[in-house]
Amino acid sequence: AQKVTQAQTEISVVEKEDVTLDCVYETRDTTYYLFWYKQPPSGELVFLIRRNSFDEQNEISGRYSWNFQKSTSSFNFTITASQVVDSAVYFCALGEGDYKLSFGAGTTVTVRA
Amino acid sequence: NAGVTQTPKFQVLKTGQSMTLQCAQDMNHEYMSWYRQDPGMGLRLIHYSVGAGITDQGEVPNGYNVSRSTTEDFPLRLLSAAPSQTSVYFCASSLQEVTEAFFGQGTRLTVV
Repeated sequence: AQKVTQAQTEISVVEKEDVTLDCVYETRDTTYYLFWYKQPPSGELVFLIRRNSFDEQNEISGRYSWNFQKSTSSFNFTITASQVVDSAVYFCALGEGDYKLSFGAGTTVTVRA
Repeated sequence: NAGVTQTPKFQVLKTGQSMTLQCAQDMNHEYMSWYRQDPGMGLRLIHYSVGAGITDQGEVPNGYNVSRSTTEDFPLRLLSAAPSQTSVYFCASSLQEVTEAFFGQGTRLTVV
């Protein structure tokens, strides 16, 4: 069974629009970690955020914000006022106690000028 | 600041050939792992290591071997390449098992 589901395969927006990427996870562990990674067209994987299961505070970093809701097992990611440089594939990942990261299938975000 | 270095960046193999993808990190991280990335499937864990001399299987280990003789190096061996192993391979390292993972630049492998 898929542990991390990213329902949106592709999202296309015009510059300056906000875009929200959904991530739903599944785990039986009480301690776990959630991550978001960005993969720009150049192919490397860039770490964006790590959140542990005991910290449900939302986080904002510049134009990026994350909404963690344990009640719905979701860890959604919003890009505010999107820019062309935000065009990338974004991956949500779950880290559990067995040393393994489980990735979602990724959401391709295209920001058009 | 080298971080995680993977070689080669591109490789074409014939079916049945063997090869080793190299991965080295200079951050003294205990935890290293190999993933493959296929369209629509995200990254899937092949093998991982929690320290020198210790390795274990991930989600898709068949057809691959690993070893961890030093903290720095974690090579991935394809024993007999198959077209199904055409993929982009990423090596990653992290200080602990669920801290930020640092990824290499990836190896694009094509098996014909």
